[in-house]
Amino acid sequence: EIVLTQSPATLSLSPGERATLSCRASQSVSSYLAWYQQKPGQAPRLLIYDASNRATGIPARFSGSGSGTDFTLTISSLEPEDFAVYYCQQRSNWPSWTFGQGTKVEIK
Amino acid sequence: QVQLQESGPGLVKPSQTLSLTCTVSGGSISSGSYYWSWIRQPAGKGLEWIGRIYTSGSTNYNPSLKSRVTISVDTSKNQFSLKLSSVTAADTAVYYCASSSGWYADYWGQGTLVTVSS
Repeated sequence: EIVLTQSPATLSLSPGERATLSCRASQSVSSYLAWYQQKPGQAPRLLIYDASNRATGIPARFSGSGSGTDFTLTISSLEPEDFAVYYCQQRSNWPSWTFGQGTKVEIK
Repeated sequence: QVQLQESGPGLVKPSQTLSLTCTVSGGSISSGSYYWSWIRQPAGKGLEWIGRIYTSGSTNYNPSLKSRVTISVDTSKNQFSLKLSSVTAADTAVYYCASSSGWYADYWGQGTLVTVSS
C-alpha cells in the first residue's frame, strides 16, 4: 500500500499570504496525484489532478507541482474561503486509491 | 453536471449489514463515461476509499474491506448501492458517494452519517 504523508498538519496563515502544503508518497506515484479541498460539513472538492492540472472552475491561485514522491499544493494568496482542510490522493496503484491524512489551513 | 445524493439508515447495530444508496441525477448511471465510488470519513479523520463500480458492473474494492463490501448498480433507478457486512463501531463514519469521468472523484454527494451502535 502506498502511504501519503501530508505536512504540516496545521498551517496558520492570514488572508493574502501564500500557503504551501506538502504531500510525500512512500514510493513513487509518478504524477498520479490529486488535491482536494474540504470545508466543514461539506464534501471534498477536486482542485488539482495529475499533480498540476486544475479541475474545472478552480481559481488560478491554486497550483500543484511535483512528481515521484514529493508534491506541493500552493495557494498564491489566501482568500477567506480558502481556509479549509486539504487532502492529497494517489491513483498510482490503480485500482486502489489512498488519501493523505490532511492539512488544515486555519486563520492566524 | 452530475449530482449525487446518499440515503439509508443512520444507525446500524453491531454485526449487522450497513446498506446505503446513491441516487444520481443530471446524467445516466449507464453512461460509459463514468464510474461510481464510495468513500468514507470517520469523524475528525481522513478519507478512506471503499470501492467502485463501472457501468459494465465490474467492481474494485479496498483490500482491507473487500471481504465485507458489495457495491451494485440499479440502472432502472439510476442508483448504485453499498453493502458493508459485520459492522463494528470502527465503521462509524460519514459515507460519501462520488462520480468519476477520469481518474479521480469529480463530483461528490453531500455525505450521510452512519453510526454503528446497539
